[in-house]
Amino acid sequence: DIQMTQSPSSLSAFVGDRITITCRASQNIGRYLNWYQQKPGKAPKLLIFDASKFHIGVPSSFSGSGSGTDFTLTITSLQPEDFATYYCQQSYSTPRTFGQGTRVEVK
Amino acid sequence: QVQLQQWGAGLLKPSETLSLTCAVYGGSFSGYYWSWVRQPPGKGLEWIGEINHSGSTSYNPALKRRVTISVDASKNQFSLRLSSVTAADTALYFCARVSYCGGHCSAFDYWGQGTPVTVSS
Repeated sequence: DIQMTQSPSSLSAFVGDRITITCRASQNIGRYLNWYQQKPGKAPKLLIFDASKFHIGVPSSFSGSGSGTDFTLTITSLQPEDFATYYCQQSYSTPRTFGQGTRVEVK
Repeated sequence: QVQLQQWGAGLLKPSETLSLTCAVYGGSFSGYYWSWVRQPPGKGLEWIGEINHSGSTSYNPALKRRVTISVDASKNQFSLRLSSVTAADTALYFCARVSYCGGHCSAFDYWGQGTPVTVSS
């Protein structure tokens, strides 16, 4: 199985801050990396697919980059609705695997 | 607008079989794969498996021995059965659509609302 490791596991930030979350794959996955946002008790929402492509309706304050084994999700100006947990997920092979999540909290 | 609506029993005893169904409204059913993902309390996401409209399946090897995913394309529905459940299977279970975007590119782009399942004696 491909292991996905996110860092940090959690972070605290202010509204308006720029934050970056990192995801590392245990082997080369090309650009086959997705990012999701999840709020407590709710289903995850797709933000970014294929490392850097926006899903429908995702604000331009979100961006993704990377290829191979190292990927990043950046939020350029945190909004109150952005405080949530973020997961990366590889689609290179099955079993499809997720990172452990990064919780973004209000400072 | 694509919507996934799921249902099933939420309280099971150890050794029983978990059974959930997901109905798809809007959009094409035959053009996608349909998946199950679970999330234990306070933990991350785990892919269980997926199926297409013709019944072709792929399962997580960690669960493969106990999992069956089936489809009823005439009703735009797919189902999950997980046998011999234990407390470790307690989780929030989601159904999701898998959209393919070329090569290995795919993503879970629409999700059901989630069904909490508790396994307890």
